Amino acid sequence: QVQLQESGPGLVKPSQTLSLSCTVSGGSISSGDYYWTWIRQHPGKGLEWIGYIYHSGTTYFNPSLKSRVTLSIDTSKNQLSLKLSSVTAADTAVYFCAAARGATAVDYWGQGTLVTVSS
Amino acid sequence: QLVLTQSPSASASLGASVKLTCTLSSGHSRYAIAWHQQQPEKGPRYLMKLNSDGSHSKGDGIPDRFSGSSSGAERHLTISSLQSEDEADYYCQTWTTGIQIFGGGTKLTVL
Repeated sequence: QVQLQESGPGLVKPSQTLSLSCTVSGGSISSGDYYWTWIRQHPGKGLEWIGYIYHSGTTYFNPSLKSRVTLSIDTSKNQLSLKLSSVTAADTAVYFCAAARGATAVDYWGQGTLVTVSS
Repeated sequence: QLVLTQSPSASASLGASVKLTCTLSSGHSRYAIAWHQQQPEKGPRYLMKLNSDGSHSKGDGIPDRFSGSSSGAERHLTISSLQSEDEADYYCQTWTTGIQIFGGGTKLTVL
């Protein structure tokens, strides 16, 4: 069973870059079974897909965030990473990493990490 | 445009059954979806993938009380023998090439 754990700063200043990592266990990030996915949830709101990355490096993004998002994977550490640039208070959210089998249903979720954008 | 629509709230009594609905936008009635449960202060949990013909495959450890069905553009999640821990937000999710979409979620209250 795949397990995912997000990590990174809980506080980011406006205009800076939000950087999060997600460590995957119970499966290899390079296996090709999953699209490694980032999703966020604004306080008290629903789920918003940010984007996903395949082991080959192929990426897809939410059009509303595409210009600010960078996704990467590190197969040696079995980790995926998210960078979101030029953040504002509107980027304050809980950020989840997840595994979507074949770019379809999200099968496994991380527990999420809250990132607050504030000076 | 691919959109998922869910009622914001639902309620049912302890021990009863409830049916939640997720509706696909016009022209997308054959799309599969997934259902996810998010209990208070927790991350979401995958419940099942539900196809247009009503066939579904559940996630690890999901009880038999959770079942799915389909009718046209509607995708249903039925929870029977409601327990207090079923009080949660329920999200549907679908996908097409290069994009994933979530419904707005339904908050289920167990009375």
